[in-house]
Amino acid sequence: EAAVTQSPRNKVAVTGGKVTLSCNQTNNHNNMYWYRQDTGHGLRLIHYSYGAGSTEKGDIPDGYKASRPSQENFSLILELATPSQTSVYFCASDDWGQDTQYFGPGTRLLVL
Amino acid sequence: GQQVQQSPASLVLQEGENAELQCNFSSTATQLQWFYQSPGGSLVSLLSNPSGTKHTGRLTSTTVTKERRSSLHISSSQTTDSGTYLCAIEGNAGAKLTFGGGTRLTVRP
Repeated sequence: EAAVTQSPRNKVAVTGGKVTLSCNQTNNHNNMYWYRQDTGHGLRLIHYSYGAGSTEKGDIPDGYKASRPSQENFSLILELATPSQTSVYFCASDDWGQDTQYFGPGTRLLVL
Repeated sequence: GQQVQQSPASLVLQEGENAELQCNFSSTATQLQWFYQSPGGSLVSLLSNPSGTKHTGRLTSTTVTKERRSSLHISSSQTTDSGTYLCAIEGNAGAKLTFGGGTRLTVRP
């Protein structure tokens, strides 16, 4: 079973502060994703990566950066957090040819 | 971009009743997945069904690709089936999934 972990699980940040959400997967998947989930919008793709060193913009990338320093790790960075970025963030991974994405447990972010 | 619409938005059943969840999408899908999100928030993949009919346990998914729709049938519902069911499609562009808004299912004892 694929294992995807996220840290922190909960985070309170101040407006204008920098926030880094981390994701780690132990199954050597090439592809990793960051989504946010808000009531009424389902899951929306922020950034994704096809492998170490690569990051791609998803559907709602504004205000976010991503970093993939290794196969296992994928970070989401909010340089200047805003209250509109209060949400639940999910990381996921999969590999080419697989028909299943594996999700982390989510991170609840509150920006005050 | 791609759009995925799920219906109904919410559904309440008595234990033992069957559920039928619908997913409609706006463009060609090379992949279609159904996910379950527990009341606690965790997400797991239920099954992948880009076309035809697929069964797993009490779940049956039927996807009609030409009509851009898929359904998920849950037979003999149990209280532990309560949660949100999400449909997601992958278009021709590659590995990105587009999710619908989900159907929130409540099964009462």
